[in-house]
Amino acid sequence: DAGVIQSPRHEVTEMGQEVTLRCKPISGHDYLFWYRQTMMRGLELLIYFNNNVPIDDSGMPEDRFSAKMPNASFSTLKIQPSEPRDSAVYFCASSFRVGTNQPQHFGDGTRLSIL
Amino acid sequence: QQQVKQSPQSLIVQKGGISIINCAYENTAFDYFPWYQQFPGKGPALLIAIRPDVSEKKEGRFTISFNKSAKQFSLHIMDSQPGDSATYFCAASNSAGGTSYGKLTFGQGTILTVHP
Repeated sequence: DAGVIQSPRHEVTEMGQEVTLRCKPISGHDYLFWYRQTMMRGLELLIYFNNNVPIDDSGMPEDRFSAKMPNASFSTLKIQPSEPRDSAVYFCASSFRVGTNQPQHFGDGTRLSIL
Repeated sequence: QQQVKQSPQSLIVQKGGISIINCAYENTAFDYFPWYQQFPGKGPALLIAIRPDVSEKKEGRFTISFNKSAKQFSLHIMDSQPGDSATYFCAASNSAGGTSYGKLTFGQGTILTVHP
């Protein structure tokens, strides 16, 4: 079975441009998480969904960030307008709830550079 | 209270040695403690996990030791190998449900280098 698929793997764009990151979770998983990883702040949870519904977006840094999950097999994280401080690796993860504490499966991330 | 503090930031071990990484937490509601392993260019992957009803869990060369009263847990890698060189993250979550379910709080990570 394919793992979590993220695209693009790398994105370089200029400040002020709109950036869209994409994620396809593992089929059957009903939880989807978006994380940001930087050297300074480590791994931060931005937002997560359950059955396509956003449950907790308290980690979204500001209004420039938005995330959607239109269906069970696709999610996007959008930054508009982008700023250099948004440069980071963005990970998507998914999990399946059977009982409790199911592992989160991570994609290989999108390395975002804002010039 | 949601923080998980991890140490050391980096660790160098000789092949065959024991690698030990420590984590401490404050939130007593945490009841699930996984360790993730991350190789360069890859996402973190679950390595081993423990719940607080046991004090130790072993899977192959990897062992988690858990001290509930001290609110600390650690990862021990026995007979460390160069292939173990990676970044290791401890994490914690509260499975009580609601908005906190499945929400992992990660430590800052430890870069492990195992020399041949």
